Amino acid sequence: AQKVTQAQTEISVVEKEDVTLDCVYETRDTTYYLFWYKQPPSGELVFLIRRNSFDEQNEISGRYSWNFQKSTSSFNFTITASQVVDSAVYFCALRDENTGNQFYFGTGTSLTVIP
Amino acid sequence: NAGVTQTPKFQVLKTGQSMTLQCAQDMNHNSMYWYRQDPGMGLRLIYYSASEGTTDKGEVPNGYNVSRLNKREFSLRLESAAPSQTSVYFCASSEPTGIYGYTFGSGTRLTVV
Repeated sequence: AQKVTQAQTEISVVEKEDVTLDCVYETRDTTYYLFWYKQPPSGELVFLIRRNSFDEQNEISGRYSWNFQKSTSSFNFTITASQVVDSAVYFCALRDENTGNQFYFGTGTSLTVIP
Repeated sequence: NAGVTQTPKFQVLKTGQSMTLQCAQDMNHNSMYWYRQDPGMGLRLIYYSASEGTTDKGEVPNGYNVSRLNKREFSLRLESAAPSQTSVYFCASSEPTGIYGYTFGSGTRLTVV
């Protein structure tokens, strides 16, 4: 069974729209870490955020916000007022105690922001 | 700039040829990883090295070998390339627990014809 599910394969939005990228994870551990990475068209992987299982506070960074809900095993990512530069593939990842210091990545969501 | 450096950035191989992908980090990280990225499959772990002198298989190790040459360098070798190994390869490093995330290299796009 997949540990990290990103059900949205591709999303297209018009510039300035808000968009939410879903991430559902699976773990039996009480201690785990969740991450989001961005992969722009240039191909590199850029770290966006880390969240540990004991901190359910939502986080906002500029136009980006993250909603962590342990009750639904979700760690969703919202971009407000999207811009063309937000066009990228976004990956959610899980590190739990069973995987040691390895990560399980979701299959990614490709976001296209149309000008 | 501090980070993870991969070489080469692009490579085309013929089936059966061998090659080594190089990775070096100057983050003073103990742990290093090799992932492959394929369309619709996300990133899958090939091999990792928790510390200098140790290596372990990941999810998709078949057809690959690795060498942790020293703390900085972790190479990935394809002994006899196959078309199924056409992929984008990423090297990454992290502190021992990985809880602060990975630092990734810029990737190697490998095509096996």
